[in-house]
Amino acid sequence: QVQLQESGPGLVKPSETLSLTCTVSGASISTYYWSWIRQAPGKGLESIGYVHYSGSTNYNPSLKSRVTISLESQNQFSLRLTSVTAADTAVYYCATLIGPYDKFDYWGQGTLVTVSS
Amino acid sequence: DIQMTQSPSSLSASVGDRVTITCRASQSIGNYLNWYQQKPGKAPKLLIYAASSLQSGVPSRFSGSGSGTDFTLTISSLQPEDFATYYCQQGYSTQGFGPGTKVDIK
Repeated sequence: QVQLQESGPGLVKPSETLSLTCTVSGASISTYYWSWIRQAPGKGLESIGYVHYSGSTNYNPSLKSRVTISLESQNQFSLRLTSVTAADTAVYYCATLIGPYDKFDYWGQGTLVTVSS
Repeated sequence: DIQMTQSPSSLSASVGDRVTITCRASQSIGNYLNWYQQKPGKAPKLLIYAASSLQSGVPSRFSGSGSGTDFTLTISSLQPEDFATYYCQQGYSTQGFGPGTKVDIK
C-alpha cells in the first residue's frame, strides 16, 4: 500500500520561501512520477508540478518561475515555492502521478500552509 | 493552456437519485480525463480514469463517458456517502482540474 505524508512549516512569512517534504512508503521512488497539488481555502484543486526519478520535471506555467520540485532521497521528494504571498495560502498535497492518463492515484492527507506576517 | 469547465457548479439530490455531472475541455483531449471525489477535510479520491475506466475499489454505481471535449460522470443511484465535491482533471497537458461540482442533500 502506497502512503504519502507531507511535512513542513504551517506558517510562512510573505516574500519568503515555502518548503515542504513528502515522505513515501510502500513504493519505490523510481516507480511513479511524484507531484504536488494545492487547494486554497474553499477553492478548487491546482496542479503545481511533478518530478520523475530520472530528474525530469514539469511545472504549472502559472507557477513555473517560483517552483522547484526535487527528489531528496530514496523515499522523499520536496517542494520549494519562492516569494510567497497570501495567495499561496492553501492545503498542499503530494500525490503519485501515473501515466499514460496522468491520474493522481495515491494522495497524502495534505498540509495547510498559511502565508502571513 | 487547456481550460476545464464543469456543470453544474452545485446540485441538490436525494438518496437514490441518478446524478450526472458534465465536464468540458477547451480543446480535444481524447480520453485523457479523470474524475475525483473529495469530501470536506480529506484528500481527493480517484474514481474514474481514462474517461470511463473504474478505479479499483470504486463502486460500480459510478461511471464515466465521453471523449474529445465533452465528458460525463454518472452516479446511478446516489448513496449517503456520495455527498461530496467532484472534480474532473485532464491528463493531456499539465494536468489541469475543473472547478468542481458540489453534490449536497436535497
